[in-house]
Amino acid sequence: SAVISQKPSRDICQRGTSLTIQCQVDSQVTMMFWYRQQPGQSLTLIATANQGSEATYESGFVIDKFPISRPNLTFSTLTVSNMSPEDSSIYLCSAAAGHSYEQYFGPGTRLTVT
Amino acid sequence: QKEVEQNSGPLSVPEGAIASLNCTYSDRGSQSFFWYRQYSGKSPELIMFIYSNGDKEDGRFTAQLNKASQYVSLLIRDSQPSDSATYLCAVPSGYSTLTFGKGTMLLVSP
Repeated sequence: SAVISQKPSRDICQRGTSLTIQCQVDSQVTMMFWYRQQPGQSLTLIATANQGSEATYESGFVIDKFPISRPNLTFSTLTVSNMSPEDSSIYLCSAAAGHSYEQYFGPGTRLTVT
Repeated sequence: QKEVEQNSGPLSVPEGAIASLNCTYSDRGSQSFFWYRQYSGKSPELIMFIYSNGDKEDGRFTAQLNKASQYVSLLIRDSQPSDSATYLCAVPSGYSTLTFGKGTMLLVSP
C-alpha cells in the first residue's frame, strides 16, 4: 500500500481567502482523489486528479471553487477558493495504484473557516 | 447513482463477542466491495475487500458477500475495545472511483 502525506494537517482561515492542500505519495500512482468529510458524515468525492489533464469533478463541485493540480504521478494539490464557513471540513487525499479500486488515504487536512 | 446503505449504529458488543456489520448496495452489477475502518479523528484505513460470492477471511475479520441479495457483511471475531471505530462500506461507482456508505459505528465494551 502507498504511504500518503498531506500538508497542512490543519488550518484556520478567514472567510474569502484560499487554502492550498498538498498531497504527496511515496510511490507513483495512477489515480489520486480528493474527498471532503463533514463531521459525523461519510466521504464525499470532490474530484479525481488526472495526471497531465484536467481533474474530473463530481456533481456539485466546480473547478473555480476547487482547482486541482496533478503535475506528476506522486503529487497533487487541492485549493479551496473564496472560502466560507460552509467549507469547514476535513479534506482527504487518496491514491490507487494502476486501475485498482483499492484506495489508500492520507491523514487529512482539518479546515476551519471563520 | 449507486447507493450504499449502512445502519449508522452504534452497534455495541461486549469484548470477545462477534460483531456483525452489514451493508446493502443498489447496483446489481457491482463486482467488488471494500471495508474501511475509521478511528475517531483519523482517516479511513482499508481492512478488507471481496470480489466473489462467499466468505473471505483475514485474521479476525471475515467479509461475506451475497450478490443475489445485494449485501456484504463484515464479521469481527473476538472483538476488542481497539476495534471500536466507524466501519465504512464502499463499492465501485465509476472509473476507479468508490461510493462510500455513511458508516456503522462499532463500540466494543471491556
